[in-house]
Parts: sequence; structure tokens; C-alpha cells
Amino acid sequence: GQQLNQSPQSMFIQEGEDVSMNCTSSSIFNTWLWYKQDPGEGPVLLIALYKAGELTSNGRLTAQFGITRKDSFLNISASIPSDVGIYFCAGQALTGANNLFFGTGTRLTVIP
Amino acid sequence: ETGVTQTPRHLVMGMTNKKSLKCEQHLGHNAMYWYKQSAKKPLELMFVYNFKEQTENNSVPSRFSPECPNSSHLFLHLHTLQPEDSALYLCASSQETSGGLKQYFGPGTRLTVT
Repeated sequence: GQQLNQSPQSMFIQEGEDVSMNCTSSSIFNTWLWYKQDPGEGPVLLIALYKAGELTSNGRLTAQFGITRKDSFLNISASIPSDVGIYFCAGQALTGANNLFFGTGTRLTVIP
Repeated sequence: ETGVTQTPRHLVMGMTNKKSLKCEQHLGHNAMYWYKQSAKKPLELMFVYNFKEQTENNSVPSRFSPECPNSSHLFLHLHTLQPEDSALYLCASSQETSGGLKQYFGPGTRLTVT
């Protein structure tokens, strides 16, 4: 299957700081998605990206579809304690295919 | 968000038991999925159903048996599981569109096999 490498694996930041994480794949993706998972819950969709170079925001979150179509980035500005969780990237490799490939996640800890 | 619900939320079963996980989606979607989430591993896709038809079976052992009676309900029947099957089992649904794929997840069932 497709391999998605997500980095960093974990982050410890102070409240108020900005956060950046990224995801790279070994092949081209047509769709990139970013999810957040809280403990004991399922992943919640944050942002969906459909075109190379696309930049999309959702509140304090901004994600970009890399122009090579092999990577994506997620930024969180002015972090708050409720940003704590695991952030997953996911990609759809073939248009029309119902399969998403997931990264291993970035665990974010926000220190008040 | 109650678009996708899963029951039970927690399940402990012995290796000789038979149990079922249930998933229901209230989003009007036409595709449903089962994923397995183990610690420090990416989500593993197990099964995909499109319009009630199974379109993907990712080499899942036969001790896991899916059932999709209609496009809103999905079951995962469990039989003679192994301890390594302990994990969070997530259900998801999506609406197939030309604009790309967005899957919405349920809260998961935390399964422990003893």
C-alpha cells in the first residue's frame, strides 16, 4: 500500500505558539485530508484539499496541498489547550477510489 | 457530532466468544468502511462497502466477518479472535462524489480480547 510519512511524531509546545506538521507520500495523491483524534474518540475531519497548491483555512488551522502532489502541510496558529490530540494526514491516490491512506499521526501536547 | 454512531463503545471478549460490532450512519452516505487502529500504526482499512456491496477486503482474516444490510448500517461479526486483535475498531462513511473523498468516522469500539 501507499506509505505516508508524517512528521514530527510528537510535539510539545507552549500555549500561544504556532505549530507546523507535514506529511509526505511516495506517490502522487489527488486528495489530502487532515483529521484530529481526541483520546477515546474517532478522527474528526478538519480540512480537505483537492488541488495542487491549494491553501485552505478552518479557523486557526491552515493546510496546503503541496505542488508536487506528494506532500501536505498543516499549521495551527496561536495554539490553545484544546488543540491537544493526534493529527492524522490522509490521502486518496486514485480519483474515484474509495481508499484513503493514513499517516501514523503527530501527537500534539500544549502546555498551558 | 452524531453522524456516525458505533455500539458498543467498549467490548471485552474471550477468544471463544462470538460478538458483533454495529455502526450506523445518519448522513445519507453510500459507502461505509471498517478500520482497525492499533497503537503506533496507521489506520488499517479492513472492508469497504459501496451501495451495500463489498468492494474491498484487505486480506482480513475470516474471523472478522462484515455485513452491510443497507447503506446506513454496517456490522462486524467477531469469532474466535486472538489477543493481537485487541484494538480500536472504527467505522466511517462517505458520499462518493467526483470532487474527492471525505470520510467521516464514528467514535470507535475499543475491543479487548482476553
